[in-house]
Amino acid sequence: QVQLQESGPGLVKPSETLSLTCTVSGGSISSNTFYWGWIRQPPGKGLEWIASMHYSGSTYYNPSLKSRVTLSVDTSKNQFSLRLRSVTAADTAVYYCAGLPFGAAMFDPWGQGTLVTVSS
Amino acid sequence: DIRMTQSPSTLSASVGDRVTISCRASQSISRWLAWYQQKPGKAPKLLIYKASSLESGVPSRFSGSGSGTEFTLTISSLQPDDFATYYCQLYDNDSPTYTFGQGTRLEIK
Repeated sequence: QVQLQESGPGLVKPSETLSLTCTVSGGSISSNTFYWGWIRQPPGKGLEWIASMHYSGSTYYNPSLKSRVTLSVDTSKNQFSLRLRSVTAADTAVYYCAGLPFGAAMFDPWGQGTLVTVSS
Repeated sequence: DIRMTQSPSTLSASVGDRVTISCRASQSISRWLAWYQQKPGKAPKLLIYKASSLESGVPSRFSGSGSGTEFTLTISSLQPDDFATYYCQLYDNDSPTYTFGQGTRLEIK
């Protein structure tokens, strides 16, 4: 059973870069049956898809965030990562990583989420 | 971009009630629609995918229907564990991008 776990700093300063990593266990990140994605949720608000990628490098972005987002994958560590540049307080949110089973257009499983606060 | 409108934003109901939550897409998305349940402090949990496919382990009182632009999540007989926030999520095959609905908070009447 595939499980995901987010990790990274819980506090980032305005204008700096938010960096998070998702570690995949119970399965291979190089599987052809999964894409991998990031979703965020500001406190008390709804869910927002950030981006998704395949280990081969195929990547899709939310147009509203595309200019600031980079995804990457480290197959040797079974991890994928998110970098969000030039953050502001509006980027404060719980960030989730998730798997996207190929051909199903849904997110499952999910990591437990990690709160990232943007503040000086 | 395809827009998603979810309604109602809040729903008050009692144990045993039948409830429905709706999502409307601004253009046809075929059956690329999923539903999630989220409880406070927890990650969303997948309930339904491809509009009507029940995720393994999800109780059969949950069902999804619809295609094109109109979709519905139905809970046939509310249980105490069902009081939570529900989100729909669409997939735009042309982009490809994903969009979540605004959420429906299901509360105890």
